[in-house]
Amino acid sequence: EAGVVQSPRYKIIEKKQPVAFWCNPISGHNTLYWYRQNLGQGPELLIRYENEEAVDDSQLPKDRFSAERLKGVDSTLKIQPAELGDSAVYLCASSFSDRIYEQYFGPGTRLTVT
Amino acid sequence: LAKTTQPISMDSYEGQEVNITCSHNNIATNDYITWYQQFPSQGPRFIIQGYKTKVTNEVASLFIPADRKSSTLSLPRVSLSDTAVYYCLVGPYYFGGADGLTFGKGTHLIIQP
Repeated sequence: EAGVVQSPRYKIIEKKQPVAFWCNPISGHNTLYWYRQNLGQGPELLIRYENEEAVDDSQLPKDRFSAERLKGVDSTLKIQPAELGDSAVYLCASSFSDRIYEQYFGPGTRLTVT
Repeated sequence: LAKTTQPISMDSYEGQEVNITCSHNNIATNDYITWYQQFPSQGPRFIIQGYKTKVTNEVASLFIPADRKSSTLSLPRVSLSDTAVYYCLVGPYYFGGADGLTFGKGTHLIIQP
């Protein structure tokens, strides 16, 4: 069974540029999560989707971050414009909706903003 | 939601049993305890989850005392490949806002030969 797929794995951009990350969850998982992980810290939840509905986006910086999951399967997280402080690893995870504590994570995208 | 406290780091040696304790003094009745493992350059991996007493799987055991104010993740006969960060999460099984899915800083376990 394929795991959570993320792309790209690495991205280097200059500040003020836009960037997008893509995630394809495990087949059958209707809950999808985006996390940000700074060096030496645990993952921080940005947004959680139940199918195509964003049910928890309280930690998403909405002035520059946006996300979508149009058909309830794969998802895109966008930052526009990027700032130096956005350098981090962006993780996508998925789970069944009744087992949100058993999440399966992708390898992440390491973003460096210069 | 219940906050958790774990040691920042621990050291052990190959072949030893390692116990990592997590404190969660204000755990609620409907809260479960979940542990994740994270290797460098990888996303976290679910290890084990429990509510009370003892849970065991092929990777680890989870011990939860009757008052549920703490829990202990036990890794039997560790190897170098068990070097990782271990996170303890506490929250309701079916629901969670941002607080319920907070990983904290975790415990950095280092296994030496």
